[in-house]
Amino acid sequence: QKEVEQNSGPLSVPEGAIASLNCTYSDRGSQSFFWYRQYSGKSPELIMSIYSNGDKEDGRFTAQLNKASQYVSLLIRDSQPSDSATYLCAASGGGADGLTFGKGTHLIIQP
Amino acid sequence: DAEITQSPRHKITETGRQVTLACHQTWNHNNMFWYRQDLGHGLRLIHYSYGVQDTNKGEVSDGYSVSRSNTEDLPLTLESAASSQTSVYFCASSLGGADTQYFGPGTRLTVL
Repeated sequence: QKEVEQNSGPLSVPEGAIASLNCTYSDRGSQSFFWYRQYSGKSPELIMSIYSNGDKEDGRFTAQLNKASQYVSLLIRDSQPSDSATYLCAASGGGADGLTFGKGTHLIIQP
Repeated sequence: DAEITQSPRHKITETGRQVTLACHQTWNHNNMFWYRQDLGHGLRLIHYSYGVQDTNKGEVSDGYSVSRSNTEDLPLTLESAASSQTSVYFCASSLGGADTQYFGPGTRLTVL
């Protein structure tokens, strides 16, 4: 069974610091990886997608993928209180068979 | 702007009743998905569809069914609602298999 593992947190980070979120996956056939942000009572919204080994940067966000270690991470630089949310890591096998989600990490940015 | 909508946003029903949750997208996406989200379990896939007339079972499909008669809609039916189906249900769509999925606002279903 495909699994995606995340530390549930809460992860508390001071405002302005770097928040580091991590995720591991079990299916070596996974091809695409996504980070979603979910505010309480709202639907998941895409933050980053990554398909190749290495780093991908978008503004304050950097996604990192290491397929050999089956590891995905998300770095948030200059963390803001508005970044406080649950972050969901998801993996796809490449087919249109849905995403496998981790249970999410609850991030709290302390002003 | 293209979007994905769900209705109703909140629903309370009784055990044993049939319930249908609607999902409508204007992205013209081929792929549509239904997930449920529960505390302690995260998001779990119920059913998905590659296109018109195509449906497939996901991880937690027992007690649910879907049908795809057009590109825009994928209604989710609970044949005989059970208390264990109390959850938040999200519909999502994507253009291609490995593409980003975009989520609807969700439906909170309570089965009494």
